[in-house]
Amino acid sequence: GAVVSQHPSRVICKSGTSVKIECRSLDFQATTMFWYRQFPKQSLMLMATSNEGSKATYEQGVEKDKFLINHASLTLSTLTVTSAHPEDSSFYICSARTELAYNEQFFGPGTRLTVL
Amino acid sequence: DAKTTQPPSMDCAEGRAANLPCNHSTISGNEYVYWYRQIHSQGPQYIIHGLKNNETNEMASLIITEDRKSSTLILPHATLRDTAVYYCIVRVNSGGSNYKLTFGKGTLLTVNP
Repeated sequence: GAVVSQHPSRVICKSGTSVKIECRSLDFQATTMFWYRQFPKQSLMLMATSNEGSKATYEQGVEKDKFLINHASLTLSTLTVTSAHPEDSSFYICSARTELAYNEQFFGPGTRLTVL
Repeated sequence: DAKTTQPPSMDCAEGRAANLPCNHSTISGNEYVYWYRQIHSQGPQYIIHGLKNNETNEMASLIITEDRKSSTLILPHATLRDTAVYYCIVRVNSGGSNYKLTFGKGTLLTVNP
């Protein structure tokens, strides 16, 4: 089956630093990748959608200068949380979609970010 | 995409069938019903999807009413590992960036020993 990986699985950083999270589709080429954020006991909230080689489309209320998304290849997307603050602490989940599987969407295992 | 309504929580005894309901009364003709689940601190996992007919796979069965306004996900023999939040989502099955999976609050299914 289609596998999506994320790295790192957990990260702790100091306030004001930047953190990069990688999302890879391991056995398929992803035409579109998505980034979600999930706060404790809440549902997943879509942050942005990205297609390879083009700029990401951000959901309303998501700061594009704070959450930098790069989708450089069909198997890799990165999310960089710039100048992280404690309120950015959350569970970040990426997802990838491929036309080869009826446009189904596959999710990564998530990255737990804690900003001190 | 049509909105869905699910009970916030349900309990089920281990080994019994778990029946999770979902209302989607505003579903349109080209929208599919999808089910995902999320085990604590993991990414969502695809379970099953359907348009009109009932569907079954190795994980679950999906029963869609004839008017398509509601559906039920059935886990035939629930195990402790099935404890998770189950999300019912309706969406058009098409490509491009035109559709997004929108997650509601889902149903927390707790399977008890």
